[in-house]
Amino acid sequence: ETGVTQTPRHLVMGMTNKKSLKCEQHLGHNAMYWYKQSAKKPLELMFVYSLEERVENNSVPSRFSPECPNSSHLFLHLHTLQPEDSALYLCASSLGTPGTGRVSGYTFGSGTRLTVV
Amino acid sequence: DAKTTQPTSMDCAEGRAANLPCNHSTISGNEYVYWYRQIHSQGPQYIIHGLKNNETNEMASLIITEDRKSSTLILPHATLRDTAVYYCIVRLPYGGATNKLIFGTGTLLAVQP
Repeated sequence: ETGVTQTPRHLVMGMTNKKSLKCEQHLGHNAMYWYKQSAKKPLELMFVYSLEERVENNSVPSRFSPECPNSSHLFLHLHTLQPEDSALYLCASSLGTPGTGRVSGYTFGSGTRLTVV
Repeated sequence: DAKTTQPTSMDCAEGRAANLPCNHSTISGNEYVYWYRQIHSQGPQYIIHGLKNNETNEMASLIITEDRKSSTLILPHATLRDTAVYYCIVRLPYGGATNKLIFGTGTLLAVQP
């Protein structure tokens, strides 16, 4: 256990389904991230939240909708996905020190393996 | 952030030291070198980071050249469980959440029995 918990571990969904991925951390971190890792590709950063506010969206299609209700929880809402969206979705968190801007290393969850059929 | 260059893959015999190189010739004075690894189908795991001095922790050692243009991650006694993709990342240690951790393709280390 890394301290960042992702559920579910595996998810199979149809293209017309709506599902959500959940990420939870109790490390006291104040920034959270969603990454996507497709087969044989580097990790791609999707969304960045700092202090529950989205600070970056790397041109991700609108069928992916993130939500960060508090500093410990992060969701990724999925709807009308395509088969090419099948991938490992990873959540990470980090701690930024207010005032200094210093940021710790990232802690990653184990990911959700998503298959779109 | 400066870019890094790593070999695509390496082999290492079990019990021997694994030395993973990384080139970062455009690194700036304030940027640190971070190493993460990703075991198959798991999330990346932080290993070590450093600025210019050599660093050691319970997982590995990091050797950074004096000109800081390259570094080597050393796993002193590799085991089969060290088989993973190892990522070398150069970035500033500040800037808050907008200072993103960007991954390249890394080095696939295969530890052989």
